[in-house]
Amino acid sequence: GQNIDQPTEMTATEGAIVQINCTYQTSGFNGLFWYQQHAGEAPTFLSYNVLDGLEEKGRFSSFLSRSKGYSYLLLKELQMKDSASYLCAVRPGAGNMLTFGGGTRLMVKP
Amino acid sequence: GAGVSQSPSNKVTEKGKDVELRCDPISGHTALYWYRQSLGQGLEFLIYFQGNSAPDKSGLPSDRFSAERTGGSVSTLTIQRTQQEDSAVYLCASSLSGITEQYFGPGTRLTVT
Repeated sequence: GQNIDQPTEMTATEGAIVQINCTYQTSGFNGLFWYQQHAGEAPTFLSYNVLDGLEEKGRFSSFLSRSKGYSYLLLKELQMKDSASYLCAVRPGAGNMLTFGGGTRLMVKP
Repeated sequence: GAGVSQSPSNKVTEKGKDVELRCDPISGHTALYWYRQSLGQGLEFLIYFQGNSAPDKSGLPSDRFSAERTGGSVSTLTIQRTQQEDSAVYLCASSLSGITEQYFGPGTRLTVT
C-alpha cells in the first residue's frame, strides 16, 4: 500500500521560517511533489524532487532523502498569503498518477 | 494561456441519479488525470489518460464510475446511481507529458442529497 504522512496543521508568524515535513512509504518511488492549495481553489505546483538534496526556488525550498523516505518544504520570510494547505505527493511508479498525503494546513499570523 | 477548465463548478443531485463532469485540459497536454477530494481529506487518484494508450482505471472506487477522453482532449467523468458518499470535489489535472508536473483545474463540487 501507499502511506504518506504530514502534520495536519501548523502555525507560524509572518516573516519567520517554517518547515513542513512529509514521510512516505510507497511501493515505488519516481519523484515527490509539493503543491499549495488555498481554500476553495485548485492545487498549484510548487516543487519537484527526484534526487536527494535541496531544490531552491525563491522563498520556497524542498528537500528529499530517498533512503529515509523523507521530504520537507521550507518556506522563508513568511507572508500572510502563504496561509494555505501544502500537499505532499509521491509518484510511486512509471505512470504519472500521484499519491497525496492529507495536506498540512498552515496558518500565518501577524 | 488558458488553464484547465472544469464544468459545472457546482452540482447538486439526488441520490440514484447519474452525473457527468467535464474537463478541458490545457491545449497540447497529452496526459489527463481525475482525482477527488473529500472534505478534510487528501486527493484520491481516480483515473489517468496518456495519449492514445488505454487509461489507467486503477483508482476508480466502483463500477459506477467511468471516464472517457474524446479526441485526446476533453474528458468526461460519469458517476451512475450516485450515492451520498460520492459527495466530494472532483479535480481534473493535465500535464504536458506523462512525467511532468500536473496542472489542476478549479474542480467540480458534487453534492449528493
